[in-house]
Amino acid sequence: GAGVSQTPSNKVTEKGKYVELRCDPISGHTALYWYRQSLGQGPEFLIYFQGTGAADDSGLPNDRFFAVRPEGSVSTLKIQRTERGDSAVYLCASSLSSDTGELFFGEGSRLTVL
Amino acid sequence: GNSVTQMEGPVTLSEEAFLTINCTYTATGYPSLFWYVQYPGEGLQLLLKATKADDKGSNKGFEATYRKETTSFHLEKGSVQVSDSAVYFCALRNRGSQGNLIFGKGTKLSVKP
Repeated sequence: GAGVSQTPSNKVTEKGKYVELRCDPISGHTALYWYRQSLGQGPEFLIYFQGTGAADDSGLPNDRFFAVRPEGSVSTLKIQRTERGDSAVYLCASSLSSDTGELFFGEGSRLTVL
Repeated sequence: GNSVTQMEGPVTLSEEAFLTINCTYTATGYPSLFWYVQYPGEGLQLLLKATKADDKGSNKGFEATYRKETTSFHLEKGSVQVSDSAVYFCALRNRGSQGNLIFGKGTKLSVKP
């Protein structure tokens, strides 16, 4: 497709389970970002990839959160031992380069931890 | 630290009314400033941006001017339409921070016919 694609769109899981969220960026975009948006809040930065490497992971809240982008395209956000406080919409965005500030966002993956 | 403060919504206007959504920021150095919009059922998309003081960003009839002296980037539109109903996010990015956009909480706008 033409835009950023995120799957699943909705995920309900139980406390303590492991979750993977996938992001397929726009073709040719080298920069990829993960954000988290809680209800009534703006998106909160988690991690940013330039190519295959994580250029800035300062927003990851703790070591239960991890993200990869092994081939410089698709990225997976992994959450271990989920907690109820992890419930949020996880947004992925991509951009042609990291310089412009113009990010193209997907519709997000809504995670609910029961 | 760096932060963005937006006026709280929701904002409800009649079609053709004038719109202002206030945004102020706190940042070290000289950030770039952005307005993103999220229409119902869609992802966030860039509406406009300004990269230095006194720059004016504009798009789709919306405007915002980067005011360094008041640390503000208020969004304005002279005549809103029903199709402008969306959530609007003000954001900043410090120079050198690459992808790390810092967003405000968002302001929901509803325009009634």
